[in-house]
Amino acid sequence: NAGVTQTPKFQVLKTGQSMTLQCAQDMNHNSMYWYRQDPGMGLRLIYYSASEGTTDKGEVPNGYNVSRLNKREFSLRLESAAPSQTSVYFCASTPTLNTGELFFGEGSRLTVL
Amino acid sequence: AQSVSQHNHHVILSEAASLELGCNYSYGGTVNLFWYVQYPGQHLQLLLKYFSGDPLVKGIKGFEAEFIKSKFSFNLRKPSVQWSDTAEYFCAARGGAQKLVFGQGTRLTINP
Repeated sequence: NAGVTQTPKFQVLKTGQSMTLQCAQDMNHNSMYWYRQDPGMGLRLIYYSASEGTTDKGEVPNGYNVSRLNKREFSLRLESAAPSQTSVYFCASTPTLNTGELFFGEGSRLTVL
Repeated sequence: AQSVSQHNHHVILSEAASLELGCNYSYGGTVNLFWYVQYPGQHLQLLLKYFSGDPLVKGIKGFEAEFIKSKFSFNLRKPSVQWSDTAEYFCAARGGAQKLVFGQGTRLTINP
């Protein structure tokens, strides 16, 4: 069972470059989320999508955009990367918005030089 | 705003020691509570969860947690830790229809 799949797992960018993190889930979940994890700060919600066709800002949305391409896929885009965006990014999903447990992907480690 | 606090940032124990990691949340109404574990280099996995009912919740790998409503606490316990329990542990809470909020995490190191 694949669950939640993220790509790429590692990426190094230069300041100002752009990139997109891809996420796909095969559990037929309606809701998907993007978190960033930084030492000593736990996980902070960047954006979420309650269902296909909807997206909303989380706690730390600045510098990011998202696209809910279809029910399975939810991508996170950095338009102009900054060193402050160096982090580990996790995609997650739940059956419906804010219910049940989060199912996480394996994470994407991003370094911005 | 809803918040979750984990007071222990780094805990170091020897194998076979007993473990208790603290977690306090701020939401006053109905709350869903979770403990997640992140082993080195891996993604977060659910250890256990509390939605309602028996306040003593048993999870995987011998972990348990007790929901104490009067103390707004959901502490994680294990009677005897193993080296393989070395990981980072995250408490999380969801109040009502709100989004899940995570604590800062506690890094647990078990010395053989």
